[in-house]
Amino acid sequence: KQEVTQIPAALSVPEGENLVLNCSFTDSAIYNLQWFRQDPGKGLTSLLLIQSSQREQTSGRLNASLDKSSGRSTLYIAASQPGDSATYLCAVRSMDSNYQLIWGAGTKLIIKP
Amino acid sequence: NAGVTQTPKFRILKIGQSMTLQCAQDMNHNYMYWYRQDPGMGLKLIYYSVGAGITDKGEVPNGYNVSRSTTEDFPLRLELAAPSQTSVYFCASSSTKTGEYNEQFFGPGTRLTVL
Repeated sequence: KQEVTQIPAALSVPEGENLVLNCSFTDSAIYNLQWFRQDPGKGLTSLLLIQSSQREQTSGRLNASLDKSSGRSTLYIAASQPGDSATYLCAVRSMDSNYQLIWGAGTKLIIKP
Repeated sequence: NAGVTQTPKFRILKIGQSMTLQCAQDMNHNYMYWYRQDPGMGLKLIYYSVGAGITDKGEVPNGYNVSRSTTEDFPLRLELAAPSQTSVYFCASSSTKTGEYNEQFFGPGTRLTVL
């Protein structure tokens, strides 16, 4: 059964730093992996979607990588800003889970001004 | 476009009461989903639908029911509410199967407390 883990559960860094969020999964048989952002009291916003055949995806200051064989993905945030403060979740579309995404518990990120 | 909308935003229920969480999307998506998110946990799929008239159970369907009479609407029904159903509920939609090249779009969530 696919399991997704995100470590650390919380992270606090000064504004301007580059940072990396980690996501690991136990079964490498996936269609893709998706990173989401969740703001308090709001829904989830999709940030990046990486297909299993891809190594990375970039959007603005965000770069997500995927190493399927080792079961790992990283979300790199460059030049962090206070507006980046949110909870970041990763989810995998596993080949053995019909229709559903399998989710990590998220990393709560705080960027200090 | 409004995207995915959910009502209500907040609700407090007494044990044994029933209610319906509303979800609507205006993107003409065939696929719709209901998730719950417990504190400090990832989302878990309750029910999903691949089109009007077709629904199926997800990972945690017990205590819930759904219907899909139109492409736009996908209500979630709670019968005999229990404290274990205290959670935040998210509705989502996508134009193809989950994750097959297309992303899911999420509503703002409904925070439900059962006392």
